[in-house]
Amino acid sequence: TQLLEQSPQFLSIQEGENLTVYCNSSSVFSSLQWYRQEPGEGPVLLVTVVTGGEVKKLKRLTFQFGDARKDSSLHITAAQTGDTGLYLCAGEGAGGTSYGKLTFGQGTILTVHP
Amino acid sequence: GAGVSQTPSNKVTEKGKYVELRCDPISGHTALYWYRQSLGQGPEFLIYFQGTGAADDSGLPNDRFFAVRPEGSVSTLKIQRTERGDSAVYLCASSTGLYNEQFFGPGTRLTVL
Repeated sequence: TQLLEQSPQFLSIQEGENLTVYCNSSSVFSSLQWYRQEPGEGPVLLVTVVTGGEVKKLKRLTFQFGDARKDSSLHITAAQTGDTGLYLCAGEGAGGTSYGKLTFGQGTILTVHP
Repeated sequence: GAGVSQTPSNKVTEKGKYVELRCDPISGHTALYWYRQSLGQGPEFLIYFQGTGAADDSGLPNDRFFAVRPEGSVSTLKIQRTERGDSAVYLCASSTGLYNEQFFGPGTRLTVL
């Protein structure tokens, strides 16, 4: 059973469009992180959210942590071809599991066409 | 500064063989993590070290998998009697522990024939 459900799994859009990726769980997390991964490389951290209701912005990317700390979203405004990649959400400290153990969603593969 | 490095980058072995995968964390990072990523999936937690000790090894799938970090720096993931289902990318990450921000290496792609 996947503890963190990401949707959609695949997203193919045109440059300039907006998009939102969702990360949902029935478990409460102490923190939630978003990563971007390119082929042949490890995931690279984009942001960490720790407070329920928190919103963080990173240029054209907006991250939100749900009030109950069970879900999160990533919104990209005016997507660019350089945004193409695999986006992963990961939660820490779910359901009493030990800190340091990240639980990842299955990822969203984003393709931005010129 | 140097990031997390992993060797080898690719490893092809035959079913039943023994393999060792190495991880060099970022200097000064006390926490080290191993994950396994299958094609089309997110990374799956295997084991987490704080210093030399395994703080959480609940993700190791069975007793064929073992990891060590004898001096609190470099870590080795060891897989005995490899099976085709072990084929995956094995990722290593390290962190200072602060807010658990983990920095990942490029991974070792293991293929078991």
